[in-house]
Amino acid sequence: GAGVSQSPRYKVAKRGQDVALRCDPISGHVSLFWYQQALGQGPEFLTYFQNEAQLDKSGLPSDRFFAERPEGSVSTLKIQRTQQEDSAVYLCASSPNSRAGSYNEQFFGPGTRLTVL
Amino acid sequence: KNQVEQSPQSLIILEGKNCTLQCNYTVSPFSNLRWYKQDTGRGPVSLTIMTFSENTKSNGRYTATLDADTKQSSLHITASQLSDSASYICVVSAISGTYKYIFGTGTRLKVLA
Repeated sequence: GAGVSQSPRYKVAKRGQDVALRCDPISGHVSLFWYQQALGQGPEFLTYFQNEAQLDKSGLPSDRFFAERPEGSVSTLKIQRTQQEDSAVYLCASSPNSRAGSYNEQFFGPGTRLTVL
Repeated sequence: KNQVEQSPQSLIILEGKNCTLQCNYTVSPFSNLRWYKQDTGRGPVSLTIMTFSENTKSNGRYTATLDADTKQSSLHITASQLSDSASYICVVSAISGTYKYIFGTGTRLKVLA
């Protein structure tokens, strides 16, 4: 499989639980992005990594959201003390170049659907 | 505020018919515009990409147009197939070198047999 993979594909959490969502980008891709997609909406930017450096976390909705990419490959998005409004699909995308955007393609994973009860 | 708006919100057509989806944006300065197809339960997949100097781009039965003056784009689907049923998302990037995509809310297309 040469694409971006995410796990789990589905996660149900009780309000107040912590969750961890994993993203395996395409091997060798420098840039990694996390997006949040609410039902019936387009994805919204959460955070961006260039290798292991988190260069932009301006889209994270609160300090309950934390992302890391310690070795510049796999990334984990952690949500602490989940709330119902966190229910959404969380998409991960990777791009081969450091100057991502412009003409550089972002390749998306299938997403993790998080439901908070 | 940089925004991307799409219409219609949803569309139902019969197999074999053509359709056109619209995208208006206020992103400035503009770098490029992409159309993505998102199947249910999948991540978005790129269909076309156009810079400000391009006004049309085709990918099989998909043809995208761009008018950078009026900040409008359209995606035309010819001879629709059942497999075209999906959400189609218009995505705009600002100035070259920036990484932030600005996504529209998408048009949900349903093709019926």
